[in-house]
This record gives sequence, structure tokens and C-alpha cells, in this order.
Amino acid sequence: GAVVSQHPSWVICKSGTSVKIECRSLDFQATTMFWYRQFPKQSLMLMATSNEGSKATYEQGVEKDKFLINHASLTLSTLTVTSAHPEDSSFYICSARVYKVMNTEAFFGQGTRLTVV
Amino acid sequence: AQTVTQSQPEMSVQEAETVTLSCTYDTSESDYYLFWYKQPPSRQMILVIRQEAYKQQNATENRFSVNFQKAAKSFSLKISDSQLGDAAMYFCAYRSASGDTNAGKSTFGDGTTLTVKP
Repeated sequence: GAVVSQHPSWVICKSGTSVKIECRSLDFQATTMFWYRQFPKQSLMLMATSNEGSKATYEQGVEKDKFLINHASLTLSTLTVTSAHPEDSSFYICSARVYKVMNTEAFFGQGTRLTVV
Repeated sequence: AQTVTQSQPEMSVQEAETVTLSCTYDTSESDYYLFWYKQPPSRQMILVIRQEAYKQQNATENRFSVNFQKAAKSFSLKISDSQLGDAAMYFCAYRSASGDTNAGKSTFGDGTTLTVKP
């Protein structure tokens, strides 16, 4: 099946710094990538939808200036957590769908555990 | 907006036995997809099974099968011959089949933690 690689798998950063998380589709082109946040033993909460070459669409309540998303190519989307604070500590997961194929499932990255100290 | 409800936060099953996880959803759309995902302790989301709403036949993947009741908006997952490796959190998910820009957004239920007892 299609592979989505997310990097890094885990990161620890100091409060006030910024962290970038990459999501790459390794063997397919992804027109759309999705960014989720997951707290322990809870569901996935969609943060934003990232479309190649256009601005991301953020879900209600998600600060777009806090969580910067860039989708510069059909194989790469990045999420930057700016001026991170301890409350931003969470598990972040991306998923990607195959370009122009509507009836396929999304493939998930392995997730990134962010800890802000 | 669509909603997905998993009413069983936790379930347990004896190894080799059968267990059914419940999922209901609410939508006004007629065309959509439903999924069951497994999230083991590694937290990698793994697709277990998918169902297209236009198909009346229930999807089956080896030991995993679904009971899709479109009128009742119910989509339960049956795991037969449960194995220790089935222990994980299971998420039911809904996705619209419409072709608009944000098509492909999935709505997830709150999850069911499945424990398999040896």
C-alpha cells in the first residue's frame, strides 16, 4: 500500500521555540493532506486540510498563526508549531490521499509526539 | 455536520472468541465511505476495513467483517477468532464522497479500546 512518512517521530523542544513536522507521501502524489491532533486515549481531532499549492483550511478553533501549514508539492506538507508552549504537547498525525482518486482511503503517517518543556 | 458515535469506550474478549464493536453515525448525505481503523500502542493508524455506502454487501477482510445498516446508520465491526495482536484502540470513521475541495475529511468516533485476554 501507499506509504506516508512523518518526521520526526518525536521531538522535545523548549517553550517559546518553533517546531516543524514533515509529512511526505513516498510512493504517490497527494493532492490533499490532513493534519490531526490526538491527546492520550482520545480521538483524532482534525486541525486543518492542506491542499497542494493553496492555503490550508483550518478547522474552527485552530489558530492558523500558531499552526502554520505549507503544502508546497504533491509529496510534502509541513506543520510548524510556532512559539510552542506546554499545552501544545500532543501527538500529531498527518494523512494523505492519492491525487485525483476520490474513492481511496487516506494513508496515515506514523505520528509525531511533541513535548514542550 | 457528520457525527460518529462509538458507545463502547472499552471492550474485552477472550482469545479465539468473537467480539463486536459498535458504531453509529449521523449524516444527510447518501454517498459516503465508512472505515474502521486500528491504532495499536505504536499509535500508527492501520486501516482494518472499509465500506462504500452504495454497496449493500457487507465488507469482509479475513477475520474482520462489518454489519452495515444504512437506514439505521449503523456500522459495527465483528472480529472473529480474536488474537492477542488485535488488542488496540479501534476507531470508526466517516468520509463524504462529495467532490468538493475539502473532500476526504474524515470524522472519527471517540474510539473503543479492545483488550484481548489470553
